[in-house]
Amino acid sequence: DTGVSQNPRHKITKRGQNVTFRCDPISEHNRLYWYRQTLGQGPEFLTYFQNEAQLEKSRLLSDRFSAERPKGSFSTLEIQRTEQGDSAMYLCASSKIRRQGGETQYFGPGTRLLVL
Amino acid sequence: AQKITQTQPGMFVQEKEAVTLDCTYDTSDPSYGLFWYKQPSSGEMIFLIYQGSYDQQNATEGRYSLNFQKARKSANLVISASQLGDSAMYFCAMNNNNDMRFGAGTRLTVKP
Repeated sequence: DTGVSQNPRHKITKRGQNVTFRCDPISEHNRLYWYRQTLGQGPEFLTYFQNEAQLEKSRLLSDRFSAERPKGSFSTLEIQRTEQGDSAMYLCASSKIRRQGGETQYFGPGTRLLVL
Repeated sequence: AQKITQTQPGMFVQEKEAVTLDCTYDTSDPSYGLFWYKQPSSGEMIFLIYQGSYDQQNATEGRYSLNFQKARKSANLVISASQLGDSAMYFCAMNNNNDMRFGAGTRLTVKP
């Protein structure tokens, strides 16, 4: 399977604990995105990387959130001191540049987080 | 600021019929990309179709076609010959200067 993979698929944690999610993009894609999706809503952009550089962060990404992509391949998203409001599906996508400034993002299966 | 609007929270279609899912967008930038994604109950976002803002022809991918009306800022998805497996959430999205925004989605139900 050469698609985007994410681990774990599900995570249940207690409020105040730290969690870390991993995303492995499609190998030839140099851009990697993180999104958050809550029930009944479309995905909301969190941050993205071009190679190992984190180029943009949404204001949704509080200080408790940190993302890394140390070697320009896989990425991790860590949430410290989780809160119940962090419960959501966390989606990762990778992309290749298409014509006319567009790019197609291919999504992983997501990590569903439940904070108790 | 750019915005994506999907006005149909839910749609029903009879199997084998065609259905149109609406999407309008707002941006002041002349260069952008428009996308449709399918999200079944399993949660994975599946890329369906892409339209560049300068493309002269409407995009088509198998049973999917994008009815792009630039002056009206609409990018409706047409699914022909609906199948039961098409039942899912459908999201319209726009990418502009690396800023990808999604609409709220439309839940499509295909009836046998």
